[in-house]
Amino acid sequence: QKEVEQDPGPLSVPEGAIVSLNCTYSNSAFQYFMWYRQYSRKGPELLMYTYSSGNKEDGRFTAQVDKSSKYISLFIRDSQPSDSATYLCAMSAINNNDMRFGAGTRLTVKP
Amino acid sequence: DAGVIQSPRHEVTEMGQEVTLRCKPISGHDYLFWYRQTMMRGLELLIYFNNNVPIDDSGMPEDRFSAKMPNASFSTLKIQPSEPRDSAVYFCASSGFEAFFGQGTRLTVV
Repeated sequence: QKEVEQDPGPLSVPEGAIVSLNCTYSNSAFQYFMWYRQYSRKGPELLMYTYSSGNKEDGRFTAQVDKSSKYISLFIRDSQPSDSATYLCAMSAINNNDMRFGAGTRLTVKP
Repeated sequence: DAGVIQSPRHEVTEMGQEVTLRCKPISGHDYLFWYRQTMMRGLELLIYFNNNVPIDDSGMPEDRFSAKMPNASFSTLKIQPSEPRDSAVYFCASSGFEAFFGQGTRLTVV
């Protein structure tokens, strides 16, 4: 079993839809949870960062962490075609030192 | 700062040849990471450095892979000899608090 599991998709939604992306993990030592966005032929860029459990909101994006279930989510409200990218979850036990990534979910938002 | 700079952006080489990938981290960042990304395996951590010292190289797939960080502003990942299964995109990232990735080097071994 991989340390971090993420459905690779692809996921296709119409513009304006709410998107839900999820990851599960097995290592209970993970404390830091990140979502990265990667456009085609580019490096990943940090989108959201959460420490421990709880919710964090940034504009149209909301990250949720449920450590008891070892489950994290990213919600995108009012999705836009510019949100089309691959979204990777990442997590680490020590801040940034040993990030483990999910496989990434490829999202397409159709106009 | 121009961000994390990787070179070359693309590399095509023949099986058996030595390949050297280069990375210039963001100034002031004390962590540097090398990742490999493939469709099959996703983004895998190969090795990371703290203050130029290798901390964890357990992700390096074989002895054919080696990485060095001679100073705070430069790191290399070397594959010798290269094999077709090494074909992937190799990313370098550096971090202080947040990790920033370079644009990647797309390696094709034929």
